[in-house]
Amino acid sequence: AQSVTQLGSHVSVSEGALVLLRCNYSSSVPPYLFWYVQYPNQGLQLLLKYTTGATLVKGINGFEAEFKKSETSFHLTKPSAHMSDAAEYFCAVSGGNTGFQKLVFGTGTRLLVSP
Amino acid sequence: DAGITQSPRYKITETGRQVTLMCHQTWSHSYMFWYRQDLGHGLRLIYYSAAADITDKGEVPDGYVVSRSKTENFPLTLESATRSQTSVYFCASSPSGRGSYEQYFGPGTRLTVT
Repeated sequence: AQSVTQLGSHVSVSEGALVLLRCNYSSSVPPYLFWYVQYPNQGLQLLLKYTTGATLVKGINGFEAEFKKSETSFHLTKPSAHMSDAAEYFCAVSGGNTGFQKLVFGTGTRLLVSP
Repeated sequence: DAGITQSPRYKITETGRQVTLMCHQTWSHSYMFWYRQDLGHGLRLIYYSAAADITDKGEVPDGYVVSRSKTENFPLTLESATRSQTSVYFCASSPSGRGSYEQYFGPGTRLTVT
């Protein structure tokens, strides 16, 4: 069965600093990978996804993620944090015996941005 | 462009009562999903549906019932609410077709069972 591990339930950065949110997955087949963002009292919004092809994926709001098969990782980065990036971020995987239509989510990482 | 809506947004109910959470999408997506979000657990799949009249269990289905008579609606019913079902519930939808696996989420329903 697939699983997702997000290292660090909370990550704190200063405004303008690099954002790095870690995601490692477990999957028996080449996975599809997703990052979602959740702002307070809202639903989840898709940031970016990896399906096939180019391993560096660019998303909305300046975020990008790189699929590294050898490391089973899909870390999310942004070169310069903005106050508006403060939110909770979820990594998700699909594929394998559960099929591609169902997503398995990590437990989330809350990003805190200080001025 | 309504997208996906959930009602009510907030609900307080008593233990043992039946409560139904509504989900409606305007995209004609084939797939619909119900998740619950709890601190430390992320999102866990309760039930999902591949099309009208086709539903299947997810990771945590006990105590919940779903139906899908129309493509656009996917209500979730708690037959006899328990305090452990206090949570935030999210509905999501996804189009069918190869490569279209991202899910689109509603705004959530915060349910408190007293």
